[in-house]
Amino acid sequence: AQSVTQLDSQVPVFEEAPVELRCNYSSSVSVYLFWYVQYPNQGLQLLLKYLSGSTLVKGINGFEAEFNKSQTSFHLRKPSVHISDTAEYFCAVIPNTGFQKLVFGTGTRLLVSP
Amino acid sequence: NAGVTQTPKFQVLKTGQSMTLQCAQDMNHNSMYWYRQDPGMGLRLIYYSASEGTTDKGEVPNGYNVSRLNKREFSLRLESAAPSQTSVYFCASRQGAASYNSPLHFGNGTRLTVT
Repeated sequence: AQSVTQLDSQVPVFEEAPVELRCNYSSSVSVYLFWYVQYPNQGLQLLLKYLSGSTLVKGINGFEAEFNKSQTSFHLRKPSVHISDTAEYFCAVIPNTGFQKLVFGTGTRLLVSP
Repeated sequence: NAGVTQTPKFQVLKTGQSMTLQCAQDMNHNSMYWYRQDPGMGLRLIYYSASEGTTDKGEVPNGYNVSRLNKREFSLRLESAAPSQTSVYFCASRQGAASYNSPLHFGNGTRLTVT
């Protein structure tokens, strides 16, 4: 079975500061990895995904994530955040064989203040 | 393009009442899912339908039933609501039954309170 750990439930940062949201996963098989963002009172939307190839993945809104197989991590980064980035961010994992279900982490709330 | 549409957006029930949450997608997706979101617990899968005509339990199916009415619609029913079912419910869909690398598309959620 797969599991996802997002150790930080909340990350406060100031506008224009860099941010890193941490995600670690556990799986006995190869996986695909995703980051989703949820703005207030909305559903989740895909931010970026890692399927294969380059371990540095770029997503929407200036976010990027790096897949590190040895550390089983997929941390999300942005060099300079905006107030509008305030949202909840979910890391998710799915095995890359057969029909499987996406497993989500518990989420990290990013709070950007001026 | 509406994507995934959920109704209602808000609902308040008394313990023991029943209701059905509706979900429809217009993207011709094969797979559909129901999740619940609770503070500090992320999203937990209630039921899913890999393709029209099939449904399967997720990790928290107790107290719920589902119907895959056709390819577009996937409803979630609470037969006898309990306060523990107070949550935000999300419907999602995905292209293909075995397209494990394709992203989920989510509706905007139904906020359910059971008193």
